[in-house]
Amino acid sequence: DARVTQTPRDKVTEMGQEVTMRCQPILGHNTVFWYRQTMMQGLELLAYFRNRAPLDDSGMPKDRFSAEMPDATLATLKIQPSEPRDSAVYFCASGSPGAPDGYTFGSGTRLTVV
Amino acid sequence: LAKTTQPISMDSYEGQEVNITCSHNNIATNDYITWYQQFPSQGPRFIIQGYKTKVTNEVASLFIPADRKSSTLSLPRVSLSDTAVYYCLRFSGGYNKLIFGAGTRLAVHP
Repeated sequence: DARVTQTPRDKVTEMGQEVTMRCQPILGHNTVFWYRQTMMQGLELLAYFRNRAPLDDSGMPKDRFSAEMPDATLATLKIQPSEPRDSAVYFCASGSPGAPDGYTFGSGTRLTVV
Repeated sequence: LAKTTQPISMDSYEGQEVNITCSHNNIATNDYITWYQQFPSQGPRFIIQGYKTKVTNEVASLFIPADRKSSTLSLPRVSLSDTAVYYCLRFSGGYNKLIFGAGTRLAVHP
């Protein structure tokens, strides 16, 4: 089965450091979502792209988060500087609108900021 | 803001059928209903989606009445491995966001 690949799987970093999370969407999918999940807030949509163009990033703290798709095989989510409250699991998902099998999620990046 | 309402939690026993109902009173004409399942430490996984009437696949059935203000996910003969959080979402093929609510935490007991 095709998979959405996220790296790294786990990341521990110190407050103030830059963190970059990567996502390889499934080939042929034209939509990519970034989510953050915590126990308190659940799954929060941070940003999404269609055909590599950002459609909405209103869920992201603009001063420290940025999301890009430099090409169709790579989506990145960057936090600079990182803060302890950014500790969460970050998921990427890809798919195409109207597809009968929905969107496919990656295994996530567990970020811990100390 | 999630646009669907579903129970916070449900309990069941192995072998039983489980029905999880979701309310979406303000569903738009071009919205589909889609359900995802999430196990601990994993990303959500697509289960099923539909527009109206009944859809069935190898995992579940989805019933959507004519007024489309609610839908019911039916899991036949659940097992312990069906213990998970189940999310009901509205989604259109346009530029709508895929917004998750709190979901329903299903616990299946021996």
